[in-house]
Amino acid sequence: DAGVIQSPRHEVTEMGQEVTLRCKPISGHDYLFWYRQTMMRGLELLIYFNNNVPIDDSGMPEDRFSAKMPNASFSTLKIQPSEPRDSAVYFCASSEDSPQYFGPGTRLLVL
Amino acid sequence: AQSVTQPDIHITVSEGASLELRCNYSYGATPYLFWYVQSPGQGLQLLLKYFSGDTLVQGIKGFEAEFKRSQSSFNLRKPSVHWSDAAEYFCAVGPLGYQKVTFGTGTKLQVIP
Repeated sequence: DAGVIQSPRHEVTEMGQEVTLRCKPISGHDYLFWYRQTMMRGLELLIYFNNNVPIDDSGMPEDRFSAKMPNASFSTLKIQPSEPRDSAVYFCASSEDSPQYFGPGTRLLVL
Repeated sequence: AQSVTQPDIHITVSEGASLELRCNYSYGATPYLFWYVQSPGQGLQLLLKYFSGDTLVQGIKGFEAEFKRSQSSFNLRKPSVHWSDAAEYFCAVGPLGYQKVTFGTGTKLQVIP
């Protein structure tokens, strides 16, 4: 299996622009998680899905953030408009039960 | 609420020396416990997990961890550290059958020659 796939691996954008991060979970995994990692706050769970349905989005910082999972093999995390404080590494993870398997992350820099 | 404490932010060990990274958790029932490793610029890789049974768990890359319920600890150990073990290590806890795990703040391991 290819593991969890994330794209892009790096993203540099300007404040105010829309950013879309993509994730393909491991086939057969019915849970999908989005995390954000920063030096100041560590690893934070933003949202997770079960069978394509959002279960807990309490970690989503603001309405500027949204996540979708239109099918079992694809999810997006969108930031609109982006701000410099959104700069972080965003990880996607998937699981069938436990544990979670992480993707390589998307390093986002908002200028 | 579940929580994880990794009291050591940064640890330096000599190559070939033994290693123990500390993890204390707070959870009222039987927890799932995990150790992950993150190399620079990489995602988190699962080292080992504990669900039940034998309290000494073997993982990949020569790591092991011991679950001690009385001490609410799940310390990670390796008898002989290699330079390639330099990375950040995260302990995580989650309740049985529930997906929302809590990660510790991580311990950065530096290995010196």
